[in-house]
Amino acid sequence: QVQLQQWGAGLLKPSETLSLTCAVYGGSFSGYYWSWIRQPPGKGLEWIGEINHSGSTNYNPSLKSRVTISVDTSKNQFSLKLSSVTAADTAVYYCARVFNIVVVTAIYWYFDLWGRGTLVTVSS
Amino acid sequence: DIQMTQSPSSLSASVGDRVTITCRASQGISNYLAWYQQKPGKVPKLLIYAASTLQSGVPSRFSGSGSGTDFTLTISSLQPEDVATYYCQKYNSAPRKFTFGPGTKVDIK
Repeated sequence: QVQLQQWGAGLLKPSETLSLTCAVYGGSFSGYYWSWIRQPPGKGLEWIGEINHSGSTNYNPSLKSRVTISVDTSKNQFSLKLSSVTAADTAVYYCARVFNIVVVTAIYWYFDLWGRGTLVTVSS
Repeated sequence: DIQMTQSPSSLSASVGDRVTITCRASQGISNYLAWYQQKPGKVPKLLIYAASTLQSGVPSRFSGSGSGTDFTLTISSLQPEDVATYYCQKYNSAPRKFTFGPGTKVDIK
């Protein structure tokens, strides 16, 4: 059974860089995109970006200038860095697997597995 | 940029009631829509993809419908364990991007 285990610093000061890592256990790492999603306290979900096993990335345009997602295929891990954080970046950050299914000529993409989430608080 | 809205933002219903949540896209997205359930303090869980396909293991009281701009998630008989916030999510292929709706909170009356 595939599991996602994530970790990283939970308390940052403004202007610091957020750094989180997600490890994939018990299943295939290649053949999927792997995403980061965040959720500010009491608010909705925001997709941050994704990476596949070959290192191809896609980012949310609203965060692109500050986000770097990288992959370490030797460890089945992928990581998130978000620079110059402010209080607005306070959120629970989730890693997730992007699954796809092909139906005739259409490809449907969605998040089928999630990490447990890491609360990151930005405060001076 | 295609915007997603959900209505209502919250609702309260009795056990056994039929509950319908609407998700609307500002432009047509075919059926590239998924629904997630997030119980309080828990991780989001996929319920439906391709607008109407039930994810394996999801109770059959959940159903989805719609195509183009208007979509619905229906709970045919609300159960206490269905208390949660429900999010719709669309996928863009060019450029590749995922967007969630603002969510609908469902409570028991």
